[in-house]
Amino acid sequence: KAGVTQTPRYLIKTRGQQVTLSCSPISGHRSVSWYQQTPGQGLQFLFEYFSETQRNKGNFPGRFSGRQFSNSRSEMNVSTLELGDSALYLCASSLGRQYQETQYFGPGTRLLVL
Amino acid sequence: AQSVTQPDIHITVSEGASLELRCNYSYGATPYLFWYVQSPGQGLQLLLKYFSGDTLVQGIKGFEAEFKRSQSSFNLRKPSVHWSDAAEYFCAVVGNEKLTFGTGTRLTIIP
Repeated sequence: KAGVTQTPRYLIKTRGQQVTLSCSPISGHRSVSWYQQTPGQGLQFLFEYFSETQRNKGNFPGRFSGRQFSNSRSEMNVSTLELGDSALYLCASSLGRQYQETQYFGPGTRLLVL
Repeated sequence: AQSVTQPDIHITVSEGASLELRCNYSYGATPYLFWYVQSPGQGLQLLLKYFSGDTLVQGIKGFEAEFKRSQSSFNLRKPSVHWSDAAEYFCAVVGNEKLTFGTGTRLTIIP
């Protein structure tokens, strides 16, 4: 089975722009979760989508949003980028809700905001 | 709210030596616990997990972890490390319907 894939792998943007990241889960997985990883804050939970609905959300501003499609693929959007948004963004998928099932992570998208 | 503490930011061990990485959690109910490993520039790979049952859990790559409720700990062990084990290791706990990670322990292996 193919693993979790994320595109693009690397991205450079400037402050004020917006960005969309994509995640394709493992086939059959219905839950997709997003995390932000930075050296200072570590791994922080952004949100979880299950059956096209956001089920849980971390403590991030409204500039961070996401959605999930009927095929379970998910996108994450960050608007009005700030320098502090530079991070590795990880996506993880699981069969069921993330608190019930093991999550499998993708390789991440590294975002650099200049 | 749940939390995870990994008290060791960085550990250095010699190749062939034994390893123990510490993890303490805070959660009111029976926790679901995980250890993940991250190689440089990569995503996270699951090493092992504890949901219930036997408190000694075997994982991939020769790792094991022991759940000790009385100590709120879930320490990761390996009897003999290999140079390829150099990576960052994260302990995580499920609580409030989400996964919370510790800050990670970076493992360096010296020849």
